[in-house]
Amino acid sequence: QVHLVQSGAEVKKPGASVKVSCKASGYTFNNYDINWVRQAAGQGLEWLGWMNPYSGNTGYAQKFQGRLTMTRETSINTAYMELSSLRSEDTAVYYCARMFGHYGSSGYGAFDIWGQGTMITVSS
Amino acid sequence: QSALAQPASVSGSPGQSITISCTGTSSDVGGYKYVSWYQHNPGKAPKLMIYDVTKRPSGVSNRFSGSKSGNTASLTISGLQAEDEADYYCSSYTSISTLVFGAGTKVTVL
Repeated sequence: QVHLVQSGAEVKKPGASVKVSCKASGYTFNNYDINWVRQAAGQGLEWLGWMNPYSGNTGYAQKFQGRLTMTRETSINTAYMELSSLRSEDTAVYYCARMFGHYGSSGYGAFDIWGQGTMITVSS
Repeated sequence: QSALAQPASVSGSPGQSITISCTGTSSDVGGYKYVSWYQHNPGKAPKLMIYDVTKRPSGVSNRFSGSKSGNTASLTISGLQAEDEADYYCSSYTSISTLVFGAGTKVTVL
């Protein structure tokens, strides 16, 4: 079965950084982009960015440029999302998600497999 | 990038059909076939319901259908059931190679 399993909840102080992991199983990790999405309490879904596990290429939403970094460790089929200079507005549930299509083909931009979510709380 | 516009809430009685709109611009919804829809229940991960504007993933009921006209995409749920009560989000690829979600629509089954 195809799964994405994320690391556990974290509490951070303003100004700190957080790194969330997303371990893939049941499929070839390198073949599908991993995206990150978050949802603050009472708010909608917000797209953060994508990473190609094979090349390591990334693309981030403009809002997070400069404080968001996505990386991977292919030997253990794991993607990481690191957000720095945390502020209270970053308090949210963070999800990793598999994009099952490639640009120019069916399913691009569509997330068929999601992690269970990781609650990140930023509080002094 | 601002969120795509969706109605805050839509409701219907069991058996009825409802339609949720998702309005963007020619730089996102209107310019690409990469529009998706997700069903999201509190405490769970979102579930893909529609991709490529009109396609349904395997296992998704054929009561869910998608369409697009100009800069507005739509999700129609026919034969509304109690289990359809959830939040629904559209998403679209954009001209600056990013993705953007809609603001979300709460569907209530009366």
